[in-house]
Formats: sequence, structure tokens, C-alpha cells
Amino acid sequence: KAGVTQTPRYLIKTRGQQVTLSCSPISGHRSVSWYQQTPGQGLQFLFEYFSETQRNKGNFPGRFSGRQFSNSRSEMNVSTLELGDSALYLCASMSGGNNSPLHFGNGTRLTVT
Amino acid sequence: KQEVTQIPAALSVPEGENLVLNCSFTDSAIYNLQWFRQDPGKGLTSLLLIQSSQREQTSGRLNASLDKSSGRSTLYIAASQPGDSATYLCAVRGGMKTSYDKVIFGPGTSLSVIP
Repeated sequence: KAGVTQTPRYLIKTRGQQVTLSCSPISGHRSVSWYQQTPGQGLQFLFEYFSETQRNKGNFPGRFSGRQFSNSRSEMNVSTLELGDSALYLCASMSGGNNSPLHFGNGTRLTVT
Repeated sequence: KQEVTQIPAALSVPEGENLVLNCSFTDSAIYNLQWFRQDPGKGLTSLLLIQSSQREQTSGRLNASLDKSSGRSTLYIAASQPGDSATYLCAVRGGMKTSYDKVIFGPGTSLSVIP
């Protein structure tokens, strides 16, 4: 089974621009969650989608948004980029039950200049 | 609010040594706890998941234990190898005042195994 796939692997953007990141979950997994990882704040939960509905949301500003498609693929969008948005963005998929393990992709490294 | 801590922040051991990594959480009403390893610049690799009703899980040289009442989990690595060098993170799902959907991560322990 293919793992979680995130594209692109690297992105360089300038302040004020917007960016869209993509995540394809493991086949059959209906839950996709997004995390931001920075050296200062560690891994922080952004949001989770299940069957195209946002099930939970972390404490990030409205500039961070996401969606999930009927094939469970997910995108996250960051608008009006700030320097502090530079981070590794990780996507994880899960089969759906409370006690299912999370499976992560290799992430997208976003650099904002 | 659920908080997760990991001690030590960094650990360096000679090859072959057995070692223990610690994870503590403040809210014991969790659904599960998962251990991951992360290699530099990469995503997280799932190692073990312990459900709230379980006390331990084993996979090869790894053994993870969970004591919900005290808010602690340990990851035991037997006969460490240089390939075990990575950052190890624990993550807790749920809590009394936390939606079961939320997963809170600890800051990680950076492990170096010296040949």
C-alpha cells in the first residue's frame, strides 16, 4: 500500500502570497489531519477532515484553511503569508476509528522570504 | 488543557545500551498514546500505539508502557543501534476537556547512538 503522499516537497514564497499544499492519504483512509512543525513551537495541530467535513480545528488564524475531496485527498491553503509561516507542514491519515494510528507523509517544507 | 512533556530533551548513548525515553501528560482521560520517530527533514514514522485500556505494546526491540493514572508513558529501546538515532515523539489523543479528535504532541527526545 502506498503511504501518505505530500506535494510539493519544498516551496519558497514571498510575504503576502498564498500557497496550497496537497496531501493524498493511504488508500481507504478517510481522515486527514494537518500539522505545522517549527523549531520553536514543535508540532501543532491545524485541522482534521473526515469524509469531506472539518471535524476539528487547532488554534491558528483564519489565513489557514483546508478542504477534503470525495476521494479523501486534502489540500490546505495559507493566504497572506508571513515570515512566521515558514515551517514543515505535515499531513497524516487515519482509517477513521478513535484508536487507529496516525500515518504521516514526509511533509512540505515552506520557506517564506 | 492537555500538555505533553518529554524527558530528557536529548540523550547520547553508546551502541548496545538499553535506554528509556519518558513522556508525561497532564490529563489522564486519553483515548490512546502513540510513539513516533522522526529523522531529520522527514515525516514521522509510527512506532507503537497504546490504547487507553492497554498497559504496554511491543514491537521488536521496542516496548512502550502506559500508566494512565499517573499520566506517564515510557519507550524502552533494547540493544540500541546507530540506526536508532532520531527524534522520538509521543502524542496523546483526547483528554477530559479536549476533543477526542485532537492529538497533542510532546516536544520530542533527540537520541544519538554512538558506534
